[in-house]
Amino acid sequence: RKEVEQDPGPFNVPEGATVAFNCTYSNSASQSFFWYRQDCRKEPKLLMSVYSSGNEDGRFTAQLNRASQYISLLIRDSKLSDSATYLCVVNTRGGADGLTFGKGTHLIIQP
Amino acid sequence: GAVVSQHPSWVICKSGTSVKIECRSLDFQATTMFWYRQFPKQSLMLMATSNEGSKATYEQGVEKDKFLINHASLTLSTLTVTSAHPEDSSFYICSARPGLALYEQYFGPGTRLTVT
Repeated sequence: RKEVEQDPGPFNVPEGATVAFNCTYSNSASQSFFWYRQDCRKEPKLLMSVYSSGNEDGRFTAQLNRASQYISLLIRDSKLSDSATYLCVVNTRGGADGLTFGKGTHLIIQP
Repeated sequence: GAVVSQHPSWVICKSGTSVKIECRSLDFQATTMFWYRQFPKQSLMLMATSNEGSKATYEQGVEKDKFLINHASLTLSTLTVTSAHPEDSSFYICSARPGLALYEQYFGPGTRLTVT
């Protein structure tokens, strides 16, 4: 089983729609969780951290379910500029080590 | 703040040559830098963790003699791909963690290497 699994998509949704992605992680000892955004041929950029209590940043809401080892990202009122690949990222070995990336979910917002 | 630069942005080289990629933290000191590699349509894979002043720690399956890492200062780490082959063609991305941060990492813009 892969450490971090995501549905690769692509998801084609109309502008203004609400869309949700999720990912699962295999290591129950994982300590921190993130959603990154990666545009084509660019480096990943941190979108938001994910906390057990759930957190919201504008149109973006992230949730973590430790019992199910499941992370979600909800995007409301999607914009054309939201088109990108969204990477689920987990720190599986504590702060001293690098991050484990999912393959990403490709989102295409259509006008 | 928290800007990381990488040079070169892209490089095309012939098989058998060596290529050096630089990663710099521009406005903070990074005791730890990470090197990742991303093949087309694949996820970023951690190659090695580089700590200033000590030897890098390589992930399983990454040849330390082929991918030489030097982290000589708190703002600079270099990755040298020695005797590059076409299968080394990839997107190489570094990230840097500020000295006191536990989980934050800031990514460089990446270097696209093509070996012909």
